[in-house]
Amino acid sequence: NAGVMQNPRHLVRRRGQEARLRCSPMKGHSHVYWYRQLPEEGLKFMVYLQKENIIDESGMPKERFSAEFPKEGPSILRIQQVVRGDSAAYFCASSPRRLGDNTEAFFGQGTRLTVV
Amino acid sequence: QQPVQSPQAVILREGEDAVINCSSSKALYSVHWYRQKHGEAPVFLMILLKGGEQKGHEKISASFNEKKQQSSLYLTASQLSYSGTYFCGTEEGGTSYGKLTFGQGTILTVHP
Repeated sequence: NAGVMQNPRHLVRRRGQEARLRCSPMKGHSHVYWYRQLPEEGLKFMVYLQKENIIDESGMPKERFSAEFPKEGPSILRIQQVVRGDSAAYFCASSPRRLGDNTEAFFGQGTRLTVV
Repeated sequence: QQPVQSPQAVILREGEDAVINCSSSKALYSVHWYRQKHGEAPVFLMILLKGGEQKGHEKISASFNEKKQQSSLYLTASQLSYSGTYFCGTEEGGTSYGKLTFGQGTILTVHP
């Protein structure tokens, strides 16, 4: 059973461009979470999705950021008009059930976004 | 509300023990512990639920004091492979079910 797959692993964008980060959860997992990690800092919650639904987006910046998890295909985190402050590692995690049901989250290897 | 971890960093020699603490100001439903090595994905270690249930690796133990909203991770007879940054993630329940809020991390370094 393949783990959580994120691509690309590294992404370089110029200021003002769009960044699309993809996350394929583990087989059988319908819950996806996105976290952002700045260098030497902790993981900051961004958004929690379940197939076709956004459950909690309290950590998402109000502008430029959006996330989706369609019925078919990977979850996408989209950042429009990137700025240097968006440079960070973005981690996706997945779980088969809601975390409150004694379930752990499995993390992908992350996408390291660099905005130049 | 981000939980607070202590200490911020620990340096050990192989075979020594360490305790990492995680404290929240909110009532918690569960606490999750992860270890992350530099440049890698966080790896699950332990989950502790309100009510005493827990699940995790054999060589790692942890406690969860629901009344104090505190959890501690116990690393005994440390090995070089234990080095990394340890994060606790807290779940508050209610409308926050499924959402983990992570602490700032504790850097553990184990020397030969």
